[in-house]
Amino acid sequence: QVQLVESGGGVVQPGRSLRLSCTASGFTFASYGMHWVRQAPGKGLEWVAALWFDGSHKKYADSVKGRFSISRDNSKSTLYLQMNSLRAEDTAVYYCARVTSWGQGTLVTVSS
Amino acid sequence: QSALTQPRSVSGSPGQSVTISCTGINSDLGDHTYVSWYQQHPGKAPKVMIYDVSERPSGVPDRFSGSKSGNTASLTISGLQAEDEADYYCCSYAGSYTPWMFGGGTKLTVL
Repeated sequence: QVQLVESGGGVVQPGRSLRLSCTASGFTFASYGMHWVRQAPGKGLEWVAALWFDGSHKKYADSVKGRFSISRDNSKSTLYLQMNSLRAEDTAVYYCARVTSWGQGTLVTVSS
Repeated sequence: QSALTQPRSVSGSPGQSVTISCTGINSDLGDHTYVSWYQQHPGKAPKVMIYDVSERPSGVPDRFSGSKSGNTASLTISGLQAEDEADYYCCSYAGSYTPWMFGGGTKLTVL
């Protein structure tokens, strides 16, 4: 069955960096565009970034543009999110997703 | 572009039907079919209930149905059951710079 497993979350100080990973299985990862979506505590879902199946196009929410970078390694069926210059407002559960499948999420807490 | 608009809450009794609306889908993008609905129970990851406006993944009960007219999409849940109580989010394509846009979420209470 389709599985998406995120990792890399944790507690980080403001201004520091963190890289999230999402390992996919159960489907042909290289054939699908992938997304990162986040959910701040007690809030709704917010789309963060998208990457085309072949890595040819990347899109970002205005709130993370210039600070976050999405990438993928199709040979490893893995999606990444490099997060730089982290802010308190980036605190959230981060999910990797395709339309019909989501991971369980990884919590990122930005705090001094 | 602002998030899609959903009612903050809806409620219904077991066996009844409820409809959750999602307005603000950009009609300038044409009559696309990129609308999904996600169910989220507390502390859990979102789960797709409807995709491509009205397609239901395997395993999702046929009590869940979706539709779209103009700039509004709708999720209808018939024969409400206690386990349907959850938050529901719509998600739509919003242009080449914003592939996904979410609604603010609707809390469904089963009375």
